[in-house]
Amino acid sequence: GAVVSQHPSRVICKSGTSVKIECRSLDFQATTMFWYRQFPKQSLMLMATSNEGSKATYEQGVEKDKFLINHASLTLSTLTVTSAHPEDSSFYICSARKVGGTNTEAFFGQGTRLTVV
Amino acid sequence: LAKTTQPISMDSYEGQEVNITCSHNNIATNDYITWYQQFPSQGPRFIIQGYKTKVTNEVASLFIPADRKSSTLSLPRVSLSDTAVYYCLVGDGAAGNKLTFGGGTRVLVKP
Repeated sequence: GAVVSQHPSRVICKSGTSVKIECRSLDFQATTMFWYRQFPKQSLMLMATSNEGSKATYEQGVEKDKFLINHASLTLSTLTVTSAHPEDSSFYICSARKVGGTNTEAFFGQGTRLTVV
Repeated sequence: LAKTTQPISMDSYEGQEVNITCSHNNIATNDYITWYQQFPSQGPRFIIQGYKTKVTNEVASLFIPADRKSSTLSLPRVSLSDTAVYYCLVGDGAAGNKLTFGGGTRVLVKP
């Protein structure tokens, strides 16, 4: 099956610093990648959709200047949380949809647990 | 994506069959139905996908009636390790279309 690798799996950072999370599709090319945030006992909340080579589309209420998304290639997307604050602490998950995919089958990374102290 | 409605939670016992029904009354002609499983602190994992009638794979079956306004995920003979949250998603997966999750169903398998 298709594999999506997300790195790091866990990160602790100081308030005010920036953190970069990488999402790679290891054995397929992804036209579209999605970034989610998940709080405890809640569902995944879509933050943004990124298509290779174009600007990401952010969901309402998600600050694009705070959550920088770069989708420079068909196998790599990055999410940078800038000037992180404790309220940004959450579980961040990426997913990728295959090039040529015609259905809602998407492949998810293992998630990144971000703790801002 | 079509809106989906699932039960919030379900309890079961080891060895039983678990059936989770998802309602998607406004499903579109081009939409597929996809189910994901998520364990705590992990990303969701694809379980099964279908368009109509019945689909079966090594882990589950998916039943879709003719009107496609609902679907039922069937997990045969569950074990403790099947305790997870199960999400039903409906959409056509066209490039750029959003992949949004509803509330999911929290399944607890008891010994």
